[in-house]
Amino acid sequence: GEDVEQSLFLSVREGDSSVINCTYTDSSSTYLYWYKQEPGAGLQLLTYIFSNMDMKQDQRLTVLLNKKDKHLSLRIADTQTGDSAIYFCALNQGGKLIFGQGTELSVKP
Amino acid sequence: SAVISQKPSRDICQRGTSLTIQCQVDSQVTMMFWYRQQPGQSLTLIATANQGSEATYESGFVIDKFPISRPNLTFSTLTVSNMSPEDSSIYLCSVFSGGEEGGYTFGSGTRLTVV
Repeated sequence: GEDVEQSLFLSVREGDSSVINCTYTDSSSTYLYWYKQEPGAGLQLLTYIFSNMDMKQDQRLTVLLNKKDKHLSLRIADTQTGDSAIYFCALNQGGKLIFGQGTELSVKP
Repeated sequence: SAVISQKPSRDICQRGTSLTIQCQVDSQVTMMFWYRQQPGQSLTLIATANQGSEATYESGFVIDKFPISRPNLTFSTLTVSNMSPEDSSIYLCSVFSGGEEGGYTFGSGTRLTVV
């Protein structure tokens, strides 16, 4: 089955860029997703990328996809304290979402 | 995209009892998904619920422990039966929200603590 890996923690200073990385084993997913989970809340779809794209930019968010290396990243520009949350990458495997472990982003003022 | 109302948002339950979690969607959807998120862990799919048929459970999850109802295309319930402290988790429902991104919308989750 699909295996999705993320580093568990990332700490950055306010105003810096954050880069959250994700690697996966199964490349059949048509879409790859980034979800955000704030403390005590459900999951919010942050952004996504179609598998035939290399990059997608959406305001402060940039998603990079390297299909050869099976590597997905999420860059948050000008990171704010409100960006502190857990970020999950997810792939669609046969209609089911497979999640990484989540990366806890801590933004220090 | 679809909007999901999930309740209760949290509960503290005695071991050996059962809790039923409800999810109401503001539009008709074919499939609803139930996930478990154990403390500090990622999300694991429990089962997929289709209207008019029995839910399909993932490996490690059984109907006797997690019975699911899907009476119509906008509503589903998940029951956590005969609870033990190991069932303390966040439980989330999800639906396929369609659209070009093929994304999924999640309920706000039910934080369950079993004492």
